[in-house]
Amino acid sequence: SQQGEEDPQALSIQEGENATMNCSYKTSINNLQWYRQNSGRGLVHLILIRSNEREKHSGRLRVTLDTSKKSSSLLITASRAADTASYFCATVPSGTYKYIFGTGTRLKVLA
Amino acid sequence: DAMVIQNPRYQVTQFGKPVTLSCSQTLNHNVMYWYQQKSSQAPKLLFHYYDKDFNNEADTPDNFQSRRPNTSFCFLDIRSPGLGDAAMYLCATTLNGTSGRYEQFFGPGTRLTVL
Repeated sequence: SQQGEEDPQALSIQEGENATMNCSYKTSINNLQWYRQNSGRGLVHLILIRSNEREKHSGRLRVTLDTSKKSSSLLITASRAADTASYFCATVPSGTYKYIFGTGTRLKVLA
Repeated sequence: DAMVIQNPRYQVTQFGKPVTLSCSQTLNHNVMYWYQQKSSQAPKLLFHYYDKDFNNEADTPDNFQSRRPNTSFCFLDIRSPGLGDAAMYLCATTLNGTSGRYEQFFGPGTRLTVL
């Protein structure tokens, strides 16, 4: 399977703390994207990092990419209860327009 | 607002009774995707259209078919639903799609229950 893996599978933190989740993938990629999914809803795009980038910021989000290790991490700083959701990484293998999703991290932020 | 719309949001069908799920988009994106997502799992790609070109994933059951009559609409037909087909079905779109340079836009999903 081409599916990526994420860890941890589940993460529970207090409001105000930082949350870090990691993604590993298997193929050469054009870019890697992170999505959020609230319970029972569709996915929402958070941030995209290209294969020639190493770090990217968007508001309270920070994404890193290490193509030599085929891994990425998503950091959410100063978490809020509203950040409670599942987070998925998605990779786009080179030469394709298919999106391969990781297994996801379920984040719970306690107020 | 430009968006991806899925109807119905909830669908209940009986074992073996054909069902059609629909997706429409106002984004004028040329690539459309159908995913199956079971509880606490990642979305699993079933097939996608690049313009009118249909691309089936190797492990998508024959029971699942799709139609895209025009840019805006895409349908997922499940010919004989089994209990294992109960899931959330997600439609997504992206622009251009060449090398996947762009983000995907998802609809809210249709939750299918098979009795």
